[in-house]
Amino acid sequence: DAGVIQSPRHEVTEMGQEVTLRCKPISGHDYLFWYRQTMMRGLELLIYFNNNVPIDDSGMPEDRFSAKMPNASFSTLKIQPSEPRDSAVYFCASSLWVNNEQFFGPGTRLTVL
Amino acid sequence: QQQVKQSPQSLIVQKGGISIINCAYENTAFDYFPWYQQFPGKGPALLIAIRPDVSEKKEGRFTISFNKSAKQFSLHIMDSQPGDSATYFCAASEAGSAGNMLTFGGGTRLMVKP
Repeated sequence: DAGVIQSPRHEVTEMGQEVTLRCKPISGHDYLFWYRQTMMRGLELLIYFNNNVPIDDSGMPEDRFSAKMPNASFSTLKIQPSEPRDSAVYFCASSLWVNNEQFFGPGTRLTVL
Repeated sequence: QQQVKQSPQSLIVQKGGISIINCAYENTAFDYFPWYQQFPGKGPALLIAIRPDVSEKKEGRFTISFNKSAKQFSLHIMDSQPGDSATYFCAASEAGSAGNMLTFGGGTRLMVKP
């Protein structure tokens, strides 16, 4: 298995632009998580899905952030409009059930100028 | 939000020494305590995990010690090697409830000097 796949690996955009981050979880995993990592705040859970359904989005910072999982093999995290404070590394992770090992993707490094 | 407090934030150890990272938690319902290892430019990866029915778990040079009464757990890296240089995160989760998810500590950046 290729593991969790994220794209793009790096994204540089200007303030106000829309950004879409993509994730393909490990086949067969039924949980998918989106995290944000910064030096100041560490690793923060933004949202997670079970069987494509959003379960907890309390970590989503504000309405500019949205996430979807249209099918079991694909999820997106969208920021619209983006702001410089959104600059961070965004990770996607998947697992078989929520209290088991989470497998992280390589992350997307987002820079908003 | 439930918190997991991790210390130290950074650690420098000589090759061959013992690295010790500590975590403390508040939620007594936590019942799964993993440690994740993250190398620069990579995502975190599970290193070792423990459940509260045991006080210690060892895998190679890595050992988790768990103190349920003190609500603390720690990672010991014996015979630390330069290749162990990475950021380590402790985490905790509570089984069987809605919103079951991992709560991560703030991370410890470990540098092992050759």
